[in-house]
Amino acid sequence: GIQVEQSPPDLILQEGANSTLRCNFSDSVNNLQWFHQNPWGQLINLFYIPSGTKQNGRLSATTVATERYSLLYISSSQTTDSGVYFCAVFQAAGNKLTFGGGTRVLVKP
Amino acid sequence: KAGVTQTPRYLIKTRGQQVTLSCSPISGHRSVSWYQQTPGQGLQFLFEYFSETQRNKGNFPGRFSGRQFSNSRSEMNVSTLELGDSALYLCASTLGAGEGEQYFGPGTRLTVT
Repeated sequence: GIQVEQSPPDLILQEGANSTLRCNFSDSVNNLQWFHQNPWGQLINLFYIPSGTKQNGRLSATTVATERYSLLYISSSQTTDSGVYFCAVFQAAGNKLTFGGGTRVLVKP
Repeated sequence: KAGVTQTPRYLIKTRGQQVTLSCSPISGHRSVSWYQQTPGQGLQFLFEYFSETQRNKGNFPGRFSGRQFSNSRSEMNVSTLELGDSALYLCASTLGAGEGEQYFGPGTRLTVT
């Protein structure tokens, strides 16, 4: 099956810093989503981005489907950005999301 | 519009028992998927339902089963619980039958003792 790898696995940032999270996938996909998992476990939708670039406030994402990767940018990080970020890819053949292992982000004040 | 709801939020069971978890999708959404999250295996797909039909199942033993009702609500059942079934169970809803954006509920945290 498809492999989804996220890097780095852990990221420690000083408040106000910028960062880039990466998601690589091993096969073509129909769509890709980025999530932020809050401390209570709920997955919060950040982006639905099969290709191209989207921005939402201090967050933006870019997916280059032909090269099988996606990037999530966090600018001017805040302590509330702490948590685990997941990317997940969807393949119509399997009718399911396959998740990466996540990037655990800690933003220090 | 209300989000995806899951009940119960927390559950403690004993080995050998069975458990039923419930998921109500976003109003108008017709597809429900279930995922298991554990520290060791991460987030893994369990099954997906659309129009009361299971269209895909992940690599889990037959003790894991589910169903979807005509109002799109879904239940999953785990029989003969094992310690390794302790996990966060998440359900997600999608508007249609295909590859639309999935929205997740808050999860049910199951502890098996």
